[in-house]
Amino acid sequence: DQQVKQNSPSLSVQEGRISILNCDYTNSMFDYFLWYKKYPAEGPTFLISISSIKDKNEDGRFTVFLNKSAKHLSLHIVPSQPGDSAVYFCAASAPLNYGKLTFGQGTILTVHP
Amino acid sequence: EAGVTQSPTHLIKTRGQQATLRCSPISGHTSVYWYQQALGLGLQFLLWYDEGEERNRGNFPPRFSGRQFPNYSSELNVNALELEDSALYLCASSLGDRGLETQYFGPGTRLLVL
Repeated sequence: DQQVKQNSPSLSVQEGRISILNCDYTNSMFDYFLWYKKYPAEGPTFLISISSIKDKNEDGRFTVFLNKSAKHLSLHIVPSQPGDSAVYFCAASAPLNYGKLTFGQGTILTVHP
Repeated sequence: EAGVTQSPTHLIKTRGQQATLRCSPISGHTSVYWYQQALGLGLQFLLWYDEGEERNRGNFPPRFSGRQFPNYSSELNVNALELEDSALYLCASSLGDRGLETQYFGPGTRLLVL
């Protein structure tokens, strides 16, 4: 039972354009969401998070949107840079099960110069 | 400031053996988390330790165990290794003890079971 899904295994974007990575979840108890990026041979690096009491959080080039009714979140990267090329994971946590992050399968983002 | 460190970077074992993986959290972090990333799968939560105690556990058999030391470093032990235990094992740490805080990951230990 995959509670967090990233349905696009890969995404290719031109440098300077917007990258939109999507994530869907099924567990309505999730109340905290995070995005991580991962380069080969490195651990995941935290990017940005959002609480379920918000619908948007912005940090520089990164913005996360949360649509609770649709159980959907997205990560927008504007403008995209070649150094953003990595695997992006969304993750979620739920009350009474804190400490456990449930991850999606990841989306490989490639930003072309 | 040093990040989360893990050792060894690679580990090769044979079926039935035991593996011990080590993790040092970011200075000041008291919580340590362990995750498994098997080939083709996402990160799966294994264990959460805080102040030396196991706070939460994922859906893994008891042969996956660990501990946290007074200096907040942690060990993950995998007994009676099976081929499917071959994976990248990631450790993360966070401030605080509520499990709500952002988790910061180390580079991982790649375990190969032959």
